[in-house]
Amino acid sequence: GAVVSQHPSWVICKSGTSVKIECRSLDFQATTMFWYRQFPKQSLMLMATSNEGSKATYEQGVEKDKFLINHASLTLSTLTVTSAHPEDSSFYICSARPPLGVTQETQYFGPGTRLLVL
Amino acid sequence: GQQLNQSPQSMFIQEGEDVSMNCTSSSIFNTWLWYKQDPGEGPVLLIALYKAGELTSNGRLTAQFGITRKDSFLNISASIPSDVGIYFCAGQRGRGGSNYKLTFGKGTLLTVNP
Repeated sequence: GAVVSQHPSWVICKSGTSVKIECRSLDFQATTMFWYRQFPKQSLMLMATSNEGSKATYEQGVEKDKFLINHASLTLSTLTVTSAHPEDSSFYICSARPPLGVTQETQYFGPGTRLLVL
Repeated sequence: GQQLNQSPQSMFIQEGEDVSMNCTSSSIFNTWLWYKQDPGEGPVLLIALYKAGELTSNGRLTAQFGITRKDSFLNISASIPSDVGIYFCAGQRGRGGSNYKLTFGKGTLLTVNP
């Protein structure tokens, strides 16, 4: 149980385009999902907390107009990188937290999406 | 943002050896987690610790939640080549709202020589 998927697994795009990344909880409903960014040989840095049915909460220094988050259902959150630039190239990982009692009360991570902006 | 102090940064060991890594924090966490990340993949949960002093095993892995709630260690016994990867500790303050957010260590890169 507690499986999280991401799509696409990798994407290459031209500078100035927008890219949408999907995060799905496959076998549980997640009222809260999280989006992380990871640069090579570095740890995960939380970008934002995605709450179903309400606005995302962004970490300090993360541009909310640049990284649009939509948590439209209990199993799907999307991250859209708008007007992507080469410095946005990174590994984006989502996680989801199952409801109490479903399984261990912690975050389960998706496999990540590698974004390369040319 | 805040990060946990995780050590060592990297380890090179021979197959069959035991491994130990730890994390410390200046503040209290009510949940400690250990994840493993393979290249190009998301982190996979290894062990979750919910009580101070708790010692939990998962196969060859053993982790402990420090009494002060400011530290945790992970031991891997009889290492095998597939143990290679980056191990992250993470702390969670509690339940509700922003307390669900995780704070991560910088990771320990483990290399196992066959």
